[in-house]
Amino acid sequence: DIQMTQSPSSLSASVGDRVTISCRASQSVSNYVNWYQQKPGKAPKLLIYTSSNLRSGVPSRFSGSGSGTYFTLTISSLQPEDFATYYCQESHTSYSYTFGQGTKVEIK
Amino acid sequence: QVQLQESGPGLVKPSQTLSLTCTVSGVSISNTDYYWSWIRQPPGKGLEWVGYIFHTGDTYSNPSLKSRVTISLDTSKNHFSLNLTSVTAADTAVYFCARVITWRREADYWGQGTLVTVSS
Repeated sequence: DIQMTQSPSSLSASVGDRVTISCRASQSVSNYVNWYQQKPGKAPKLLIYTSSNLRSGVPSRFSGSGSGTYFTLTISSLQPEDFATYYCQESHTSYSYTFGQGTKVEIK
Repeated sequence: QVQLQESGPGLVKPSQTLSLTCTVSGVSISNTDYYWSWIRQPPGKGLEWVGYIFHTGDTYSNPSLKSRVTISLDTSKNHFSLNLTSVTAADTAVYFCARVITWRREADYWGQGTLVTVSS
């Protein structure tokens, strides 16, 4: 099974900060990594697909990069509405669809 | 616009079968561009893929749950369903249904989620 490990598990940041979350796969998943944002009591929302593609309607301050086993999600200038939990997910094969454990972004 | 809505009992007894339905609007579940997925989230924890089904009826499930999971389609009602047998307290979670794009497999539309508690 493919494992996805995110770091950090949580972070505190201020509005306007640049924030980077990393995600490491236990084996190569090519560029098949997606990123989701989840707020309390809500369903996750897709932000980034296949490593670096911004979903339509998602602010351009969100960006993704990586390939193989190492991936990052960057928020260039943190906004109040960005405080949430972020999940990476691999989608490399039909029989695996693993999420990372999540990174909670909190207000400093 | 695409919408998904989960429905089903909020309380299931241990050893019984959890049954949920996801009603889809705005797109046909027969559309070959999509899988239809179940994903769950235990209270206070992260997301766990349960399984998904393709328009052909082919299914893929999390290996850790595979023997207990059945996912089916009802194209006449444009909904798909989840059955999870022999439930325990560890199956208590918010269950989400989601649409997954076939060739890239990102989940682009989600239902709001429904909490299922396993308790006697």
